[in-house]
Amino acid sequence: QSALTQSASVSGSPGQSITISCTGTSTDVGTYNLVSWYQQHPGRAPKLIVYEVSQRPSGVSNRFSGSKSGNTASLTISGLQAEDEADYYCCSYAGSFSHVVFGGGTKLTVL
Amino acid sequence: EVQLVESGGGLVQPGGSLRLSCAASGFTFSSYWMNWVRQAPGKGLEWVANIEQYGSEKNYVDSLKGRFTISRDNAKNSVYLQLNSLRAEDTAVYYCARGWQRFYFDLWGQGTLVTVSS
Repeated sequence: QSALTQSASVSGSPGQSITISCTGTSTDVGTYNLVSWYQQHPGRAPKLIVYEVSQRPSGVSNRFSGSKSGNTASLTISGLQAEDEADYYCCSYAGSFSHVVFGGGTKLTVL
Repeated sequence: EVQLVESGGGLVQPGGSLRLSCAASGFTFSSYWMNWVRQAPGKGLEWVANIEQYGSEKNYVDSLKGRFTISRDNAKNSVYLQLNSLRAEDTAVYYCARGWQRFYFDLWGQGTLVTVSS
């Protein structure tokens, strides 16, 4: 199965907002609302920050928000902070053959 | 404490085998799907396999079918990944992850590194 497509990198200054896109197909993101996002700091395990396209787990800042339009899901981080600098991965259920696919990851740099 | 702890990684020669283990604690293990996700050095995340709460359903990424086998022992609160016919491209950190609502990975272990090299 093919990975979801994410831009390799994005950057922003503290206080700004950035959006990371995740493009799939009609067999994954376009069909299922089972999209999640993960934050991974260097040397650490990933952390779930958004599930079911736009829901936030308990304890995750409301500066993180998710959305979806067609085959593309998006993660927006508002009020950028230095600690947001990390890799971000989208993930989607892809049906009974492909099961679960991740995006290639986006490196966020806070300038 | 709610946690997952992986073990069993190491250096193995091409064609060799390893069995990874993941011990769960602090939650009702038998209530959750469990997953293995791997990350090659400097690369992104790749979902490897998952297993239903009682082991009756197992799913694998297509590219690994036949070489890797996932299993679990609810009495020991553990999930396993048997890796056979290992190749250099299997070199990665292998994470186990809890499947909350089946498809969301809400709890991760620290990972165990598998290095396939002669």
